[in-house]
Amino acid sequence: GQNIDQPTEMTATEGAIVQINCTYQTSGFNGLFWYQQHAGEAPTFLSYNVLDGLEEKGRFSSFLSRSKGYSYLLLKELQMKDSASYLCAVKEGTYKYIFGTGTRLKVLA
Amino acid sequence: GAVVSQHPSRVICKSGTSVKIECRSLDFQATTMFWYRQFPKQSLMLMATSNEGSKATYEQGVEKDKFLINHASLTLSTLTVTSAHPEDSSFYICSAPTGERAEAFFGQGTRLTVV
Repeated sequence: GQNIDQPTEMTATEGAIVQINCTYQTSGFNGLFWYQQHAGEAPTFLSYNVLDGLEEKGRFSSFLSRSKGYSYLLLKELQMKDSASYLCAVKEGTYKYIFGTGTRLKVLA
Repeated sequence: GAVVSQHPSRVICKSGTSVKIECRSLDFQATTMFWYRQFPKQSLMLMATSNEGSKATYEQGVEKDKFLINHASLTLSTLTVTSAHPEDSSFYICSAPTGERAEAFFGQGTRLTVV
């Protein structure tokens, strides 16, 4: 079967750092994406990993270990506007994406 | 980035009627598009893969006669929810991949409410 698991909810304080984990078991792997989604809106792209290691992009970083089927998204200097759902997605083959369960992040003042 | 436009953003319909949702790639051609359904506080569930010029591929458990998909051109895919019932009320989102990474670009989503 296919599983992409994330914690359901997380809470953090403004200015802090938070790490959102994603573990996956899929029939194929052609890259892992992280998306941010605010309530009632479409997901927006945050980061992409296809090789092992850390990708940094401003306040956001994403890490991948293919041998462990594991990724995390690191958000630094949290802001209130970072309160959203964060979706981990594995790309199978050329185009097909399988989304994780999603993590709702609440940032408190 | 690439733009995918989805219309309508919200629709309310009566039970038993059909609703059509459009997904357009505005600045690129998409031979493949994807339709997702999202329940409140849950992640995106892939419903089907829309293929230009051929039949859609449906995920297990998704009724193809209930959710009709047409991909008649390289920039347009439509999802028709036929004989809608209240349990079909949900947020429907389309996506189209493009670029070197085949990154998914999403439409704005459609909030369907069946009364």
